[in-house]
Amino acid sequence: AQRVTQPEKLLSVFKGAPVELKCNYSYSGSPELFWYVQYSRQRLQLLLRHISRESIKGFTADLNKGETSFHLKKPFAQEEDSAMYYCALYTGGFKTIFGAGTRLFVKA
Amino acid sequence: EAGVAQSPRYKIIEKRQSVAFWCNPISGHATLYWYQQILGQGPKLLIQFQNNGVVDDSQLPKDRFSAERLKGVDSTLKIQPAKLEDSAVYLCASMDGGRGGEVTQYFGPGTRLLVL
Repeated sequence: AQRVTQPEKLLSVFKGAPVELKCNYSYSGSPELFWYVQYSRQRLQLLLRHISRESIKGFTADLNKGETSFHLKKPFAQEEDSAMYYCALYTGGFKTIFGAGTRLFVKA
Repeated sequence: EAGVAQSPRYKIIEKRQSVAFWCNPISGHATLYWYQQILGQGPKLLIQFQNNGVVDDSQLPKDRFSAERLKGVDSTLKIQPAKLEDSAVYLCASMDGGRGGEVTQYFGPGTRLLVL
């Protein structure tokens, strides 16, 4: 079965603390994974994709095929990082399935 | 480039009434999606169009939901009659068809539906 699991509905950290948003996937093929973000009063938008191997706004995510994980990390959280984060899996045929999302709250 | 447009932004109706949502994708994007996002959940695909043809509508409740994409550009999603459980945000997204391996979806602002 194709599935994306984000085990945390809410993650609260202090400003300057490291943050890790967890994502696990289930997929029989070669996965292509994304993180999408939705800031308050804004539309859902791409944050990063694993094949780009880039850091966006200080966030990185590494695909671990052995653990079927694609956790999102940032060493020092900022207040403006507070948002909903969705892990997503591209399953081919231009289809993407989304996790339930994790709300990140960065406290001052 | 202009983003995905949706209207209305908010809609409140009573159960058993009908409602329609409109989406205008990014110009040139061949693939268009409608998602339903219930509070506390991720987006769930309702229907996927490639140009003006339906690619996947397996999760569309066809007894009450319908969608069309005339001329392969704008799309409308209709619910008739609405049920309480249809209260959700309806998201439209588009993709340029995967050219060059680009499979990023671009989302509209969503329509928040409340069924009373």
